[in-house]
Amino acid sequence: AQSVTQLGSHVSVSEGALVLLRCNYSSSVPPYLFWYVQYPNQGLQLLLKYTTGATLVKGINGFEAEFKKSETSFHLTKPSAHMSDAAEYFCAVSPSSLRGYGKLTFGQGTILTVHP
Amino acid sequence: EAGVAQSPRYKIIEKRQSVAFWCNPISGHATLYWYQQILGQGPKLLIQFQNNGVVDDSQLPKDRFSAERLKGVDSTLKIQPAKLEDSAVYLCASSPRGHTEAFFGQGTRLTVV
Repeated sequence: AQSVTQLGSHVSVSEGALVLLRCNYSSSVPPYLFWYVQYPNQGLQLLLKYTTGATLVKGINGFEAEFKKSETSFHLTKPSAHMSDAAEYFCAVSPSSLRGYGKLTFGQGTILTVHP
Repeated sequence: EAGVAQSPRYKIIEKRQSVAFWCNPISGHATLYWYQQILGQGPKLLIQFQNNGVVDDSQLPKDRFSAERLKGVDSTLKIQPAKLEDSAVYLCASSPRGHTEAFFGQGTRLTVV
């Protein structure tokens, strides 16, 4: 079974400050890893994903995440926060087998607040 | 490219009533998912279709929930009878065969009173 833990249900930063959202996973085999963003009353939008290859993954809107197998982590970062980054962020895992593609297990979510 | 379409966006019903949600996936996407997102939680997979066949419905409460995907395109999710704890956002997602991520619709927010 797979699970995801997001540390901190709420994170608050100032505009221009570093954004760091933490995600740890549990899986018996190396999974695929994802970060999604959800704006109020909207669906989920993919920010970035890790499947294979380079462990530092760059996504949309200046976000990036690094897969660290030894720490079972996939933390999301952005060097400089913008007001438009305020949203809820979800870390997710899926099996790396073809049959498991898209079968996402989500964390509880982290609400990011950006102060002027 | 049009995204995943869902309707209605909002629905309020009384407990013990029935309700149905509709989803139209992105054209050509073979795989369709229904997720339930309870307030304050991450989405939880209810059912996965590959074309018009069910791949995984292990987390679908089959005593009250049902879903179908006729002709491998549109899908409907039904709850009958609804309970208060079914209040949630129901998200539909789709992906092409062999694709690693899912593309989500805007969801249907259900309130059971």
